[in-house]
Amino acid sequence: AQSVAQPEDQVNVAEGNPLTVKCTYSVSGNPYLFWYVQYPNRGLQFLLKYITGDNLVKGSYGFEAEFNKSQTSFHLKKPSALVSDSALYFCVGHGSSNTGKLIFGQGTTLQVKP
Amino acid sequence: DGGITQSPKYLFRKEGQNVTLSCEQNLNHDAMYWYRQDPGQGLRLIYYSQIVNDFQKGDIAEGYSVSREKKESFPLTVTSAQKNPTAFYLCASKVAGVETQYFGPGTRLLVL
Repeated sequence: AQSVAQPEDQVNVAEGNPLTVKCTYSVSGNPYLFWYVQYPNRGLQFLLKYITGDNLVKGSYGFEAEFNKSQTSFHLKKPSALVSDSALYFCVGHGSSNTGKLIFGQGTTLQVKP
Repeated sequence: DGGITQSPKYLFRKEGQNVTLSCEQNLNHDAMYWYRQDPGQGLRLIYYSQIVNDFQKGDIAEGYSVSREKKESFPLTVTSAQKNPTAFYLCASKVAGVETQYFGPGTRLLVL
């Protein structure tokens, strides 16, 4: 079965420090992977995606993610966290190229403290 | 959220009542999706539509119904058969052949 896992319910980091939000995947074929962010009572905002090509993907708001095929991981990173980065982050896989159905991780709450 | 609107922001349902959630997009996207979000869980797919006048069940379609009469609109009805409707409902859309989905701001459904 195809799946996306986010092993941490919550990540705490001090403002200015680097942050990492972890994601591992199990999808068939060539994986299409995404990161979305959700602020309270809002919809999901697209951050970045990996389809093919460079393993390091750069996205919005200074975020980047590294695709690692051997470890089946797609961790989200940022060199210097901001308090405004505090939100719920979803790692998402693409399950089917025909239907567009997505596979969502459980979400990780990022808390950045001043 | 731009280009995809959902209304209302909050919706209250009484026992035995059907309610309809609106989703409209002006992005000329081909496919539209409805998801349900519960605390501590990822999003779960309710229904999706890839073209007008056609739609398919997702993973948790029981107790819900949809229609796709216009390209820009994909309303979701939560019927009285849905026994646990309290959740945050998200609509999304995308262009055919492109993988990225874009989400609306969501509707929170509460039961009185």
